[in-house]
Amino acid sequence: IQMTQSPSSLSASVGDRVTITCRAGQSISGYLNWYQQKPGKAPELLIHTASRLFNGVPSRFSASGSGTDFTLTISNLQPEDFATYFCQQSFSTPTITFGQGTRLEIK
Amino acid sequence: QVQLQQSGPGLVRPSQTLSLSCVISGDSVSSNTAAWNWIRQSPSRGLQWLGRTYYRSKWGYDYAESLSDRIRITADTSKNQLSLQLNFVTPEDTAVYFCARGQENSAWYGSLGTMDVWGQGTLVTVSS
Repeated sequence: IQMTQSPSSLSASVGDRVTITCRAGQSISGYLNWYQQKPGKAPELLIHTASRLFNGVPSRFSASGSGTDFTLTISNLQPEDFATYFCQQSFSTPTITFGQGTRLEIK
Repeated sequence: QVQLQQSGPGLVRPSQTLSLSCVISGDSVSSNTAAWNWIRQSPSRGLQWLGRTYYRSKWGYDYAESLSDRIRITADTSKNQLSLQLNFVTPEDTAVYFCARGQENSAWYGSLGTMDVWGQGTLVTVSS
């Protein structure tokens, strides 16, 4: 299942609110996860089941969507939020697939 | 706290075999609620799932179709680790390789396909 993210990169300032979009090539219900990856590190799970925060993830992260269209929103951007974000579908487990990533940069 | 510690060579010659290990602490490779995955990341392919192993009374294995003729994942219960072997590598196999856990959770959609714990990653370069 192809996963397409937009935009591929995004510039924002501390305190801003940003939204990243992920589209699945077919309906995946709520089988959608979001990860954050910082340079030289492994991805870290942020959101599972389309909208549920993983353990310890700050509440400024939120997500929504179902079917083919999903969004990740980060409110009140903090310096540690500047990273690359990936969506991933688990509908076709074990053959999971990831979006190409959205790089969030400091303006 | 579950941790995955990867090890293995960073340079592999073309046509040779890539071998990586992932030692698990805080969980068991033979857990009947987990699946242990290998995923790689490269600029050209992005994040790509390679395969997984899991234990449910017996060992099970799933592999990405594109690699099924070259890949082998094994589990060693005495060392509590999983391993990846990728045969006949080419420069296109150059990537950062990760091990990762999927954990059954009835409250999550597709929990076994949700990677909640990752290894630190190993950059493997295929070059002569």
